[in-house]
Amino acid sequence: KQEVTQIPAALSVPEGENLVLNCSFTDSAIYNLQWFRQDPGKGLTSLLLIQSSQREQTSGRLNASLDKSSGRSTLYIAASQPGDSATYLCAVKTSGAGGTSYGKLTFGQGTILTVHP
Amino acid sequence: ETGVTQTPRHLVMGMTNKKSLKCEQHLGHNAMYWYKQSAKKPLELMFVYNFKEQTENNSVPSRFSPECPNSSHLFLHLHTLQPEDSALYLCASSLRTSGNLNSYEQYFGPGTRLTVT
Repeated sequence: KQEVTQIPAALSVPEGENLVLNCSFTDSAIYNLQWFRQDPGKGLTSLLLIQSSQREQTSGRLNASLDKSSGRSTLYIAASQPGDSATYLCAVKTSGAGGTSYGKLTFGQGTILTVHP
Repeated sequence: ETGVTQTPRHLVMGMTNKKSLKCEQHLGHNAMYWYKQSAKKPLELMFVYNFKEQTENNSVPSRFSPECPNSSHLFLHLHTLQPEDSALYLCASSLRTSGNLNSYEQYFGPGTRLTVT
C-alpha cells in the first residue's frame, strides 16, 4: 500500500527566504506526482505535475524535482512571499488492483507554510 | 476560477437527516472523484467514476451513496451519518482514468464543509 509522507508538518519563514518542502513515498511504481496548494477552507489548486519519466518541473518561482528510485520529491519555493502561505500537498498516482490503471492519488498530510512579512 | 463547482459549500445536518452533495464539472472530463479530508489526516479517496461507471469504492460505509448520472455531474447522498463523518468533502475530475493515458491531472472543486451534529 502506497504511503506518502511530507516533512516538515509546518514551516514558518520570513519573507524573501528560499525554502524546500519534502515528500517521500514508499512505492516507487508511480505514474506521476503532483504538488497542490490548499488555502484554508478551500479546494486544491494543482501547482506542478511531474511525470514518472521526468526529473523536474518549473513554474515561476516553483521548482519540483522527482527521484523515483529513492521515492522522493522536493518542492522548492524561491523568494517566498506572504501570499505563498497555505498548505502544500504532495500526491502520487499509482496503478489500481489487478494491474488496471486508474486515477488513484495517494496524498501526504501536507506542510503548512506561513511566510511572515 | 476552478471548472469544478460544488454545492452546498457548507452543510450542517443531524444524524437522522438525509442530504446530498452535488458536484459539477465544466471541463469536458469523463472521470470524477469524491475525496474526504478530515482534520489532521491525508485526503482519502472515496469513489471514482469513469464514463459514468463506478471503478473504485474505497471501502466506504453504505451511509455514503454516490451517483453519477452523466460525466458532468456527481452526487454524494448522505443518510444516518455519524459525527466522525464531519469533514471537507472534495470532488475532482480528470479527462479519464483508463487506458495508457494515465497522466491526466485531477482538478478539484472548492469542497463542501460538512458538520454532523
